Amino acid sequence: GEEVAQTPKHLVRGEGQKAKLYCAPIKGHSYVFWYQQVLKNEFKFLISFQNENVFDETGMPKERFSAKCLPNSPCSLEIQATKLEDSAVYFCASSQSARVWNQPQHFGDGTRLSIL
Amino acid sequence: ELKVEQNPLFLSMQEGKNYTIYCNYSTTSDRLYWYRQDPGKSLESLFVLLSNGAVKQEGRLMASLDTKARLSTLHITAAVHDLSATYFCAVDGSGNQFYFGTGTSLTVIP
Repeated sequence: GEEVAQTPKHLVRGEGQKAKLYCAPIKGHSYVFWYQQVLKNEFKFLISFQNENVFDETGMPKERFSAKCLPNSPCSLEIQATKLEDSAVYFCASSQSARVWNQPQHFGDGTRLSIL
Repeated sequence: ELKVEQNPLFLSMQEGKNYTIYCNYSTTSDRLYWYRQDPGKSLESLFVLLSNGAVKQEGRLMASLDTKARLSTLHITAAVHDLSATYFCAVDGSGNQFYFGTGTSLTVIP
């Protein structure tokens, strides 16, 4: 598609439950990025993929967060045993070329995760 | 870790006035991006600045990049209400991840 599609728009989970978020990048885009936006303004990089391979995972909390981008499937970000501090908007972005620096990242509308 | 600072954090300006938002970053990079975010919405790409001295203009917004000073500016000319939003700069760090600034929340008052 022509837009980065994220589902669901909103997700509510009780503390300790699992949360799974999905992202379909723009068709033809090789790179996928996940960001966490907390407190309305702060963006934190989580992980990036080049096709189905992890490109950079330096931002990922190792213990409870995992992500995948499998062929012919939306990418996913999964949080096990959610905590209150995981409440945030999670944005997915994709970009086109191997030299990603000359293309802006295109962002989806985000998934608002609320942990109760 | 690359640090990106924006100022001001909040900006309230009258319609028709001019103002500049500043974006400073801590390590060498010659790739900087400006985005706009409306409340509850996604990020819209405004400008891609790829070299020292780059200047881009779109409507009432103009962005520039000085890589030696590690500074980018977003200049608003004759502000209108439709420009009310939060503006983010983002710098391309290692691994192509973006480091975002703190955001500048702009309100244009009639």
